[in-house]
Amino acid sequence: GAVVSQHPSRVICKSGTSVKIECRSLDFQATTMFWYRQFPKKSLMLMATSNEGSKATYEQGVEKDKFLINHASLTLSTLTVTSAHPEDSSFYICSAGRGTDTQYFGPGTRLTVL
Amino acid sequence: AQRVTQPEKLLSVFKGAPVELKCNYSYSGSPELFWYVQYSRQRLQLLLRHISRESIKGFTADLNKGETSFHLKKPFAQEEDSAMYYCALRKGGSEKLVFGKGTKLTVNP
Repeated sequence: GAVVSQHPSRVICKSGTSVKIECRSLDFQATTMFWYRQFPKKSLMLMATSNEGSKATYEQGVEKDKFLINHASLTLSTLTVTSAHPEDSSFYICSAGRGTDTQYFGPGTRLTVL
Repeated sequence: AQRVTQPEKLLSVFKGAPVELKCNYSYSGSPELFWYVQYSRQRLQLLLRHISRESIKGFTADLNKGETSFHLKKPFAQEEDSAMYYCALRKGGSEKLVFGKGTKLTVNP
């Protein structure tokens, strides 16, 4: 299957700072990338869907000004957590796909906000 | 709205025993159903999807529209099957997946 990478794998930051997470599809061009958040012992919650060259579509309850998503190319999407707070600490996972084809998942990024 | 329910958070079986991970869904249209697996310290990966009707690693799942279920089954569990299993649904024509909360399967020696 296709490979999706995320960087960094883990990040610790101070409250009030911003953190950028990158998601890359390494061997295919992804028309759509998805960002999920996973709480301990809970399921993956879709945060937003991003299509290359257009604005991301956010799920209900997700603050678009707090979680900035950019999908500048068919192989790269970034999630920026702005003014992070401890409650933003979580595991963030991206996936990449082409239309209704299989989604391929990244390994996830563990964010800890102190 | 679509919903996926996995009633068991934890499931423990012995090696060689049959295993069934339950998944029920609610959706009025024609969904696509998937099973994803996440082994320890690894990323989520697709195990199987109902439209392909194939058996992967000995696992099968049949979509039962009458019971709105997509249970995952394996006749003889192996220790390497120990993992988190997520059932997911996608509306026809949509790109988005809706996940259940997952079932942690432990296969004991």
